[in-house]
Amino acid sequence: GNSVTQMEGPVTLSEEAFLTINCTYTATGYPSLFWYVQYPGEGLQLLLKATKADDKGSNKGFEATYRKETTSFHLEKGSVQVSDSAVYFCALKVPQGAQKLVFGQGTRLTINP
Amino acid sequence: DADVTQTPRNRITKTGKRIMLECSQTKGHDRMYWYRQDPGLGLRLIYYSFDVKDINKGEISDGYSVSRQAQAKFSLSLESAIPNQTALYFCATSDFGRGFPDTQYFGPGTRLTVL
Repeated sequence: GNSVTQMEGPVTLSEEAFLTINCTYTATGYPSLFWYVQYPGEGLQLLLKATKADDKGSNKGFEATYRKETTSFHLEKGSVQVSDSAVYFCALKVPQGAQKLVFGQGTRLTINP
Repeated sequence: DADVTQTPRNRITKTGKRIMLECSQTKGHDRMYWYRQDPGLGLRLIYYSFDVKDINKGEISDGYSVSRQAQAKFSLSLESAIPNQTALYFCATSDFGRGFPDTQYFGPGTRLTVL
């Protein structure tokens, strides 16, 4: 089946630190990959996406590269800010069938000033 | 105004009560979804609808039902609420017509507590 495994949280960093949140997946076919972010008290928002191998998604200083050989889509940011504190979800969608999103369990990130 | 709205935002109810959660969208999207979020489990799909006449079960539909009253409205019902349905519920929409992969847009969520 299709599944997403994320790095266990919570993750706590200091402002300006380098961030990596690991995400690996299992999927049939060739999925598209997504990172969603959930700020406190809000719904999920799309942060970035990649549709094929070696694509790099980027937004707001965050990046993730679709690595087919390692079935990974790790989220990175070079210098985090307090405002990046949120829960981050990795997700995939396969083009076949109902094309539903499959989410990882989420990683809570806290950035301290 | 928000594109995807959910009512109520918070609800506390008792075991055995019937509850309806409502979702409305102004994005003009055909596809709508209901998810529940539990700590450590991410989001799990309850039901989804590709248009007014097309409703499908997700991975955890037992104990839930839905109604797609119009393109813009998609309601989730708990016929007889039980405590393990305590969770955060999200509605989402997407527009497949603009090509794959479509982006899903989420509402702010409804926090439901069943005592």
